Amino acid sequence: QVHLAESGGGLVKPGGSLRLSCAASGFTFSDYYMGWMRQAPEKGLEWVSYISTTGSYTNYADSVMGRFTISRDNAKNSVFLQMDSLRADDTAVYYCARVMDIVLIPAAIDYWGRGTLVTVSS
Amino acid sequence: DIQMTQSPSSVSASVGDRVAITCRASQDIGSWVAWYQQKAGKAPVLLIYAASTLQSGVPSRFSGSGSGTDFILTISSLQPEDSATYYCQQAKRFPIAFGQGTRLEIK
Repeated sequence: QVHLAESGGGLVKPGGSLRLSCAASGFTFSDYYMGWMRQAPEKGLEWVSYISTTGSYTNYADSVMGRFTISRDNAKNSVFLQMDSLRADDTAVYYCARVMDIVLIPAAIDYWGRGTLVTVSS
Repeated sequence: DIQMTQSPSSVSASVGDRVAITCRASQDIGSWVAWYQQKAGKAPVLLIYAASTLQSGVPSRFSGSGSGTDFILTISSLQPEDSATYYCQQAKRFPIAFGQGTRLEIK
């Protein structure tokens, strides 16, 4: 069955960097768009980024554009989120997500990881 | 950018009740809407995609309808385990946007 396991979260100072990893299993990883979502404490869901099946196409929320970089390694069934210039408002649980497509258009997130907490604080 | 506005922000209902949650898009998004359920401390779960298609394994008491700018998630006969926060999400164009959430409480 589909399993997504995030790692790499933790406490980091403002201006610092962190790299999140997500190990995927139970499906043909290279067939799916993947993504990252986040949820600040007691807040709603926020889309962060998507990456296409080959990694050729990426999209980002305005709030992270230029600071975060999504990437994937299809040989290792993994997706990553490099987070630089972190700010206090980046504090959130970060979820790895498998994206289902309809006629090659990313349509919904059909599987979510359990999430990893990133805290940005001095 | 497309904004998604849910209403109500919270609702309280009894077991067996019919509950409807509305999501309005700031522009026409066709049928590119998904609905999620999130229980406290857990990751979200996909309920509905393409506005009205039930995700595999989701109970049939959940249904979705609408197109264009107005969408509805309906729970036909509320069960105790439906206590959760529900989110809509537009998939028409980037940036992807979620609604602010609707908290459903069982009386």
